[in-house]
Amino acid sequence: DAGVIQSPRHEVTEMGQEVTLRCKPISGHNSLFWYRQTMMRGLELLIYFNNNVPIDDSGMPEDRFSAKMPNASFSTLKIQPSEPRDSAVYFCASRMDRDQPQHFGDGTRLSIL
Amino acid sequence: KQEVTQIPAALSVPEGENLVLNCSFTDSAIYNLQWFRQDPGKGLTSLLLIQSSQREQTSGRLNASLDKSSGRSTLYIAASQPGDSATYLCAVRREYGNKLVFGAGTILRVKS
Repeated sequence: DAGVIQSPRHEVTEMGQEVTLRCKPISGHNSLFWYRQTMMRGLELLIYFNNNVPIDDSGMPEDRFSAKMPNASFSTLKIQPSEPRDSAVYFCASRMDRDQPQHFGDGTRLSIL
Repeated sequence: KQEVTQIPAALSVPEGENLVLNCSFTDSAIYNLQWFRQDPGKGLTSLLLIQSSQREQTSGRLNASLDKSSGRSTLYIAASQPGDSATYLCAVRREYGNKLVFGAGTILRVKS
C-alpha cells in the first residue's frame, strides 16, 4: 500500500521566494495534518483538515503560511514570502478515522537561505 | 496546556537488553496516546496506540502501558536489537479535538 507521499523531499531557496509543499494522503483517509519539526521546538501541528475542510489552523505561525486541500487526495502548504526561520522539516500525516493512528510521510526538508 | 515529557532523552544499551522508555503528560483528560519511532531522515512510524480506556497494548517485542490518572505511559522493548536504534516519540491526543501533543523524544542506540 502506498503511504503518505510528500514532495519535494528537499527544497533549498532564497528568502523572499514562495515555497509550495505538496502532500498526497493515503487513499480513504479523511483527516490530513501538516506538522513542522525543528530542533528547538520539536514537532508542532500547523493545521489539520477533516473531509477537506480546515478545522484548526491555530498552529499556523503567521499570515505568510497558507494551506489548501482542494480534494481528498491532495493538499498544499504554501509559504510566501519565505524567511530563514521557516527552515525545518515539514511533515504531512493522514488518518482514516478518529480512533486510528496517524500515518506520516517522509517529510520535506526546507532550507531558506 | 498539555505538556508531554519523555525520559531519558537518550539511552544506549547493549544488544539483548530489555528497556523501558517513559512518557508523562500533565493533563489526564486524554483521548488516546500514541508511540512512534522516527529513523534519521524519515517520517514517524506508528508503533502502538492506546485508547484512554485501555491499560496496555502489545505488538511483537513492544508493550506500551497507560496510567491515565497518574499521567504516565511506558514503552517496554524486549530483547533489544541494533535495528531498534531510532528516536521514540510519545504523543497524546486530548479528549476534545484532534491535536497531537508530542514529547521531545528518546534517542535509543542499541549496540551490537
